[in-house]
Amino acid sequence: DIQMTQSPSSLSASVGDRVTISCRASQGISNYLAWYQQKPGKVPKLLIYAASTLQSGVPARFSGSGSGTDFSLTISSLQPEDVATYYCQRYDSAPSAFGRGTRLDIK
Amino acid sequence: EVQLLQSGGGLVQPGGSLTLSCAGSGFTFSNHAMSWVRQAPGKGLEWVSSIRGNGDTTYYADSVKGRFTISRDNSKNALHLQMNYLRADDTAVYYCAREPYTTPINWFDPWGQGTLVTVSS
Repeated sequence: DIQMTQSPSSLSASVGDRVTISCRASQGISNYLAWYQQKPGKVPKLLIYAASTLQSGVPARFSGSGSGTDFSLTISSLQPEDVATYYCQRYDSAPSAFGRGTRLDIK
Repeated sequence: EVQLLQSGGGLVQPGGSLTLSCAGSGFTFSNHAMSWVRQAPGKGLEWVSSIRGNGDTTYYADSVKGRFTISRDNSKNALHLQMNYLRADDTAVYYCAREPYTTPINWFDPWGQGTLVTVSS
């Protein structure tokens, strides 16, 4: 099965910083990649699908890029409400799989 | 408004069984594949199972294959997960989630509120 490796596992940044989270697939998955945000104690929320398509209602400071094996989620200007754990998910075929997550805090 | 309302869950002994349910509203239920995703306490997300919109195709993670059964009743806009031979490592919050198309496997949006399953003696 194709494995998803996220990095870093945790990250601390200041308000206003540009933040990038990476996700690497063990084999090529084209653009079948989604990103989710999970705030503490809350349900996961879809941010991006098809590697770079922003879900309706998600702030424009979030963006996704990549194709094949290397992907990234970028927050252009970190806000306090962005404190959360972020997960990537591959959906090129069954079994679908998530990355292990990146915990993002405010410095 | 699209909503997924989950029911079921609770405490069960190892080797026992439990059924989770998820009621969809605000959308044409049969037009969407549906899935279950779980999250063990303090851990990440794990895809569990998916079912095609008409119910004729199912997929399972290796960790639950042969023990869990996903099903749906489109006449009642309901999704179910029958869990048998439960083990301690099945302890998790279980989420149902809608997929965008009738055929799985895709991204998930929205998600149900989650229900905790605890397997313990």
